[in-house]
Amino acid sequence: QVHLQESGPGLVKPSETLSLRCTVSGGSISTHPWSWIRQSAGKGLEWIGRVSTSGRTSYNPSLMSRVMLSIDPSKSQFSLTMTSLTAADTAVYFCARIGIRDAYKEFFDFWGRGTPVIVSA
Amino acid sequence: SYVLTQPPSVSVAPATTATITCGGNHIGSKSVHWYQQKPGQAPVLVIYYDNDRPSGIPARFSGSNSGNTATLTISWVEAGDEADYYCQVWDSSIDGGVFGGGTKLTVL
Repeated sequence: QVHLQESGPGLVKPSETLSLRCTVSGGSISTHPWSWIRQSAGKGLEWIGRVSTSGRTSYNPSLMSRVMLSIDPSKSQFSLTMTSLTAADTAVYFCARIGIRDAYKEFFDFWGRGTPVIVSA
Repeated sequence: SYVLTQPPSVSVAPATTATITCGGNHIGSKSVHWYQQKPGQAPVLVIYYDNDRPSGIPARFSGSNSGNTATLTISWVEAGDEADYYCQVWDSSIDGGVFGGGTKLTVL
């Protein structure tokens, strides 16, 4: 069973940079692409971006100027870096595995438990 | 990018059928996936590719997709089904996931 675990600071100051890491166990990080998804309190799910060991990445257009995803197969980890944080970035951040059977019909089949991030001075 | 529209809430009595809709332009031409999220927990995939169930998901959960509406149907609803449900498609124009706003299912 694939297991994902997010890690990172729970509190970040406005205008600073957020760095989160997701560690994958129970399966290879090279067989699937991976995503970050966030959820503000009482709100819905927002896809942030996608990364894979093939080098293919994509980002939510509303966030792409501030977001970068990277992946380290040697550590079975992938990471999210988000710059210029504001209070609007306060949310629970989930990492997830992307399941694929057909191209451009992807879904999220395994999720981490999520890590809360608060942006506050 | 692509927009998915869900009703904010649906309420049903136990042992009846819950129907949750997800609207989108020509959504029938896409594959729709559904997630269940209980308070304080991560979402769980309950339906993928319109009507496939991951292992461990009861057959009470089913889906359909045609025209401009996809539907998640939960038969013989139980108290434990009370949760938020989200539909999702992959938008090829951004090469990314798009979620509906979510529907809160209340079991009366």
